[in-house]
Amino acid sequence: EDQVTQSPEALRLQEGESSSLNCSYTVSGLRGLFWYRQDPGKGPEFLFTLYSAGEEKEKERLKATLTKKESFLHITAPKPEDSATYLCAVQANRDDKIIFGKGTRLHILP
Amino acid sequence: DAGITQSPRHKVTETGTPVTLRCHQTENHRYMYWYRQDPGHGLRLIHYSYGVKDTDKGEVSDGYSVSRSKTEDFLLTLESATSSQTSVYFCATAGLQETQYFGPGTRLLVL
Repeated sequence: EDQVTQSPEALRLQEGESSSLNCSYTVSGLRGLFWYRQDPGKGPEFLFTLYSAGEEKEKERLKATLTKKESFLHITAPKPEDSATYLCAVQANRDDKIIFGKGTRLHILP
Repeated sequence: DAGITQSPRHKVTETGTPVTLRCHQTENHRYMYWYRQDPGHGLRLIHYSYGVKDTDKGEVSDGYSVSRSKTEDFLLTLESATSSQTSVYFCATAGLQETQYFGPGTRLLVL
């Protein structure tokens, strides 16, 4: 069964304190792994798609990496505006659907 | 961002009444999805469509039906709303690439 587990559930950091969010996945044949950001009361906002192990993508203070079993979202020198819930999702080769993890709530303290 | 709108944005209804939520997109995306999001469960797929009049069930489809008569519109219907269907509902679309883009959501309260 395809599965996505995100950790930690919640993370509080001081402004400027770098850290990483983890997304462990089990899927038979990965078509793509997705990262989204969700602010309270809003829909998820697309950040990255990763397709194969070793791939990395960056956007401002965020960098996503992918291995055969997990993905990391690295946050470098975060700012309070980076506070949000970060969602990870995977899609199998055989499927039109994607499966979401439960997310990591990130809070950056000024 | 894909041009996705959802209506209504908020709705309060009573148990047993029918409810229809609408998703409208302007991107001509082939795929459309309905999710619900609940605390402790994350996003769960209800139904999805891979073309006009082509739909399939997701993880939590019981009590819901969908219709897609035009590329741009995807309707979600709760035939007889129950309190367990109180949730936030999100529509998403995807084109030829796999990336899904989400609408702003509909908050539904069933009393």
